[in-house]
Parts: sequence; C-alpha cells; structure tokens
Amino acid sequence: KQEVTQIPAALSVPEGENLVLNCSFTDSAIYNLQWFRQDPGKGLTSLLLIQSSQREQTSGRLNASLDKSSGRSTLYIAASQPGDSATYLCAVRLITGGGNKLTFGTGTQLKVEL
Amino acid sequence: DTGVSQNPRHKITKRGQNVTFRCDPISEHNRLYWYRQTLGQGPEFLTYFQNEAQLEKSRLLSDRFSAERPKGSFSTLEIQRTEQGDSAMYLCASSLGGAEKLFFGSGTQLSVL
Repeated sequence: KQEVTQIPAALSVPEGENLVLNCSFTDSAIYNLQWFRQDPGKGLTSLLLIQSSQREQTSGRLNASLDKSSGRSTLYIAASQPGDSATYLCAVRLITGGGNKLTFGTGTQLKVEL
Repeated sequence: DTGVSQNPRHKITKRGQNVTFRCDPISEHNRLYWYRQTLGQGPEFLTYFQNEAQLEKSRLLSDRFSAERPKGSFSTLEIQRTEQGDSAMYLCASSLGGAEKLFFGSGTQLSVL
C-alpha cells in the first residue's frame, strides 16, 4: 500500500526566508506527483504537477523536484511571505490500480510571520 | 471557466437523515472525483467518473453512499442514514484526463449531530 509522508508536520518561519517542504512515498511506480495548497476550511489549490519523467517544475517563487528512485519530492519556496501561510499537501498518482486516484500525505502546516 | 463549484458549502444534519451534495466540474473536464477529508488528514479517494460512467469506488464508500453523474456533467453524492463518523469535508475535483492536474472545489463541510 502506498504511503505518503510529509515532514515537518508544521513549520514557522520569518518573512523572507527560503524554505523546503519534504514529501516521501513508498511505491516509486507513479505517474506523477502534485503539490497543493489548502487554506483553512477551503478546498485545494493545485501548485505544481511533476510527471514521472520530469525532475522538477517551477512556478514563480515555487520549485518542486522529484527523485522517483528514492521516493522523494521537495517543494522549495523562495522569499516566503505571510500570504504563503497555509497547509501544503503532496499527492502521488500510482500506476498500480490504473492510476485513477491520488494518494495524499497529511500535509505541512506553514506559518510565515512578519 | 469558473472552476469547480460545490453546493452547499456547509451542511448540518441529524444522525439518520439523508444528505445530498452537488458538484459542477470545469465544463470541458471529462473526469470527476470525490474525496473525503477529516481534520488534520489528507483527502481520501472515494470514487471517480469518466464522463457518466462510475469507474472506481473505494472500499471507504459504504452501501450508504451513492454517487451519480447522469449526463457526464454535474455529479451528486448522497449519503443515506448519516452517522456521526460521516462528518468530514467532502471535496470534488475534475480533470481533463487521467494524467492531468486535478482542480478541486471548495468542498462541502458536513456535520452530523
């Protein structure tokens, strides 16, 4: 069974700091990995999607990397801002079972302080 | 394109009552998914549709749960005889294809008293 782990569970940083969120998964047979942001009581916003053949994706201040062989992904946030405060979730789409669903981690709750 | 829309945003019900939620996906998306999320956890897959066909259901989806997507557009999720353990955020998502990004709605927060 695929397990997705996110470390740390919570993180508090001062504004302007660069930070890295970690995601690990046990089954490396994946189609892709997606990073999401979730604000309290709200739905998920897709940030970045990395296909299994890709090593990284970038969008603005965000950069996500994927090392499929070691079962790891990182989300790098540059020059953090208070508006980045949210829970960040990673999810993998497994090849096993037809690849029809995402398996999520439990998230990293980020707080960026002024 | 107004994104994925879910109604209602909040639902409070008494144990034993039936509830129905609606999801309107992004119009050109042929895949529609339902997920459930409890506090402090990541979303868990419930079921998905390709057009009007329901192609996979999680074992989390007991007999009290039923989902439909009759015309391949909007979808409904019904929970019969609700239990307190059904209290959760129910999230709908859609995508253009299997390998594409999922776009989520804002969810329906269900509280069963």
